[in-house]
Amino acid sequence: EAQVTQNPRYLITVTGKKLTVTCSQNMNHEYMSWYRQDPGLGLRQIYYSMNVEVTDKGDVPEGYKVSRKEKRNFPLILESPSPNQTSLYFCASSFIWTSSTDTQYFGPGTRLTVL
Amino acid sequence: RKEVEQDPGPFNVPEGATVAFNCTYSNSASQSFFWYRQDCRKEPKLLMSVYSSGNEDGRFTAQLNRASQYISLLIRDSKLSDSATYLCVIPSGSSNTGKLIFGQGTTLQVKP
Repeated sequence: EAQVTQNPRYLITVTGKKLTVTCSQNMNHEYMSWYRQDPGLGLRQIYYSMNVEVTDKGDVPEGYKVSRKEKRNFPLILESPSPNQTSLYFCASSFIWTSSTDTQYFGPGTRLTVL
Repeated sequence: RKEVEQDPGPFNVPEGATVAFNCTYSNSASQSFFWYRQDCRKEPKLLMSVYSSGNEDGRFTAQLNRASQYISLLIRDSKLSDSATYLCVIPSGSSNTGKLIFGQGTTLQVKP
């Protein structure tokens, strides 16, 4: 089954404790992206990757790191989480066609709470 | 002006009604536009893509007005199951930058 998986789905942690949220897709998509969703602010892009070893900042990259060592995986790393990073996080992937990213497939989301 | 703007609603309509939402954008170089549907904090799912003047899929019609820089989503014969938040998505910058801007979303509630 074609899908994007995220782990963990729910996480409660404390300020400053490094964490990684994994994202994996089995559709051979070139493009992968991370978003956070907050009430009243909608979905905001954190980082994206057009292909292996290529990553770029989105609108809200501060406090996050990513890596793209393999095509299928795009982990999101919070080196020192803070309470303002409490949010619902989505990973997404898509093919890239000649002039735009194609349909994005989203993972089920990770609900992160930083105390 | 925000890059992508939507009226958050909620739009409360009876079953069978026709409802339309608009999404305005500031980047005149955008070539592709998307409407996604999101149910109650679940993952967004693609509803329609718009690459030229418009697109139609059953009860759903998306239209693009480049001159006024907005896209619209029209839902005919609303069903209870159409209740959701509809997100407008537009690439930032010119073609294929990979950076996408989501609107805040418009909430639709269809009532019996």
